[in-house]
Formats: sequence, structure tokens, C-alpha cells
Amino acid sequence: AQKITQTQPGMFVQEKEAVTLDCTYDTSDQSYGLFWYKQPSSGEMIFLIYQGSYDEQNATEGRYSLNFQKARKSANLVISASQLGDSAMYFCAMREGSGYSTLTFGKGTMLLVSP
Amino acid sequence: GAGVSQSPRYKVAKRGQDVALRCDPISGHVSLFWYQQALGQGPEFLTYFQNEAQLDKSGLPSDRFFAERPEGSVSTLKIQRTQQEDSAVYLCASSLPPGRNRDEQYFGPGTRLTVT
Repeated sequence: AQKITQTQPGMFVQEKEAVTLDCTYDTSDQSYGLFWYKQPSSGEMIFLIYQGSYDEQNATEGRYSLNFQKARKSANLVISASQLGDSAMYFCAMREGSGYSTLTFGKGTMLLVSP
Repeated sequence: GAGVSQSPRYKVAKRGQDVALRCDPISGHVSLFWYQQALGQGPEFLTYFQNEAQLDKSGLPSDRFFAERPEGSVSTLKIQRTQQEDSAVYLCASSLPPGRNRDEQYFGPGTRLTVT
């Protein structure tokens, strides 16, 4: 089974509107972390936001917020007030357990922001 | 700059050639990861170093892939006898010591390898 599922291959949004990118995950660990990364056409992965499994509040970082629903195992990224520069691939990733652990990524969602 | 750097940015190799990809992590970052990203996919884990020790190489797809980090800083990913299926972007990431809750990984720009 896929550990990280991103069901939206592509999303379109108009500038200044909000958009939600979906992510569901599968783990039996109690301790885990969820990450969202942005990958523009230049190729570099840019960290956006982190949510720990024990965090009681949804994470927020500027225009990014994470809608964490633990029982449903979902960690959707919400981008408010989209900007043209937000056009990129977005990847959801999970780190299982504590201490060292690699990241497992989803297949990504391509977001296109139009004027 | 202070970020993760990788070289070369682009590499074209003929099938059967050996290639070496270099990663310079952020200074002081103990952990170093290599990922392989095929076209249209998310990155997939290859190997992990803590300082000079290679603690996990479970993601290396074959014994043609070899990675080292001899002094605990710069790392090299070597692919011997390249095959067409090795064509991908190879990403390097570094982070502070494990055990931190957030353990954010900082990625380099990647090396795009094309095997012809």
C-alpha cells in the first residue's frame, strides 16, 4: 500500500484565491511527522511546513497551513491568497518513528496559478 | 551560499559509463541523504549517512550504486556501468542530528542524469 497518497495530479487556481492540496498517509507508528515541500521548475525541494503527530494544533507558516485530521490520516496543505510564484509541484512526505528516519514522498500535485 | 550544493547540475552519460555525483551539505549538518527522483514521481530514498558512517543503504537499487562520505562532509554517489533506467534527478539533502522532532531536511538543486 502507498504510504503517502496525493490524489490530485494537477490543480488550477486563480491568483489571490485559496487552494487545498490533498494528502493521506498510512502508518502504524504513533510518532511520525508530516512535511510539505514545494518543487519549482528549477528542481530544488523547498520546505514549506511540518506537522508532528503529537501536535495538537494545526501547523501554520505564513500563507501555508496544514489541515491535520489524525483520525482520517489526512494532512492537507492549504495555501491562502495564491500568488503566481506558487506555481510548482507540491509533495507531501512522512517521517515515521523518532530519531533517524528517511522521508517517504507522495507522487506530487502540480499547482498552476493563473492571473 | 549556505545551502546544499550539488555538482554537476546536468550529466549526460553513455550507457555503460561510470558517473560520480557530488554533494556539499550545509556546514555542521550531521545527516546526509541521497534520493532518486524519476520523471513525474516523488523522490525515493537511496541511502543515509550520519557523519562518515553509512547507516542505511536499503534504497540503493543495485550493486552498481555506491555512496561514500569519507570525512563526514562532502558525499559522492557513484553509479557504475550506467543503464537507461538510471536516468533521473539525484537529490541530496542534509539535516541536523536525528532525534529532533522536526528533523527538517534541506535539499540541494539536484543532478539531472541522462543515460543515452
